Amino acid sequence: GNSVTQMEGPVTLSEEAFLTINCTYTATGYPSLFWYVQYPGEGLQLLLKATKADDKGSNKGFEATYRKETTSFHLEKGSVQVSDSAVYFCALISGGYQKVTFGTGTKLQVIP
Amino acid sequence: SAVISQKPSRDICQRGTSLTIQCQVDSQVTMMFWYRQQPGQSLTLIATANQGSEATYESGFVIDKFPISRPNLTFSTLTVSNMSPEDSSIYLCSSDRNTEAFFGQGTRLTVV
Repeated sequence: GNSVTQMEGPVTLSEEAFLTINCTYTATGYPSLFWYVQYPGEGLQLLLKATKADDKGSNKGFEATYRKETTSFHLEKGSVQVSDSAVYFCALISGGYQKVTFGTGTKLQVIP
Repeated sequence: SAVISQKPSRDICQRGTSLTIQCQVDSQVTMMFWYRQQPGQSLTLIATANQGSEATYESGFVIDKFPISRPNLTFSTLTVSNMSPEDSSIYLCSSDRNTEAFFGQGTRLTVV
């Protein structure tokens, strides 16, 4: 079956530091890959996505590249802000049955 | 992407009672999904709801506890029945379009 593995948190960074959150996946076929973000007290929001190998998704300074050879979709940001503090979920959709498989989530805390 | 309106956004309920959560999509969708997010955990799929047929439940979830309705292509409800404190979670509905999943705002349920 499908699975997503992401690095455990919490991750604590100082403002303007570089962020990487690792994500690897196992899936049948050719999945679409996503990063979702959940800010404190809010619902889930799509941050970025990539639908085929070598695609790069980007949004709000965050980037992730779909690496089929390493089955990875690591999230990066060059300079984090306090407002980026949230829980980040790596996820995939695979096959015609469009349910989402989520990783366990990584909590990011950015301190001034 | 499409919009899902979910209500209530939060509720505090007595054990032994039931709560029905509603989701309205702004356009017709084939499948709708219901997830549970227990405190500090990732999202777990409860069931998939197609219009005109009985919902398909994931392992560990049963219809008697989580009955689902899907009367048309834009609406679904999830009922959490005979609640106990262990049911305290965030419940989210979801659907998909163009390989992208989108979510309702979530219902934060506390059972006392």
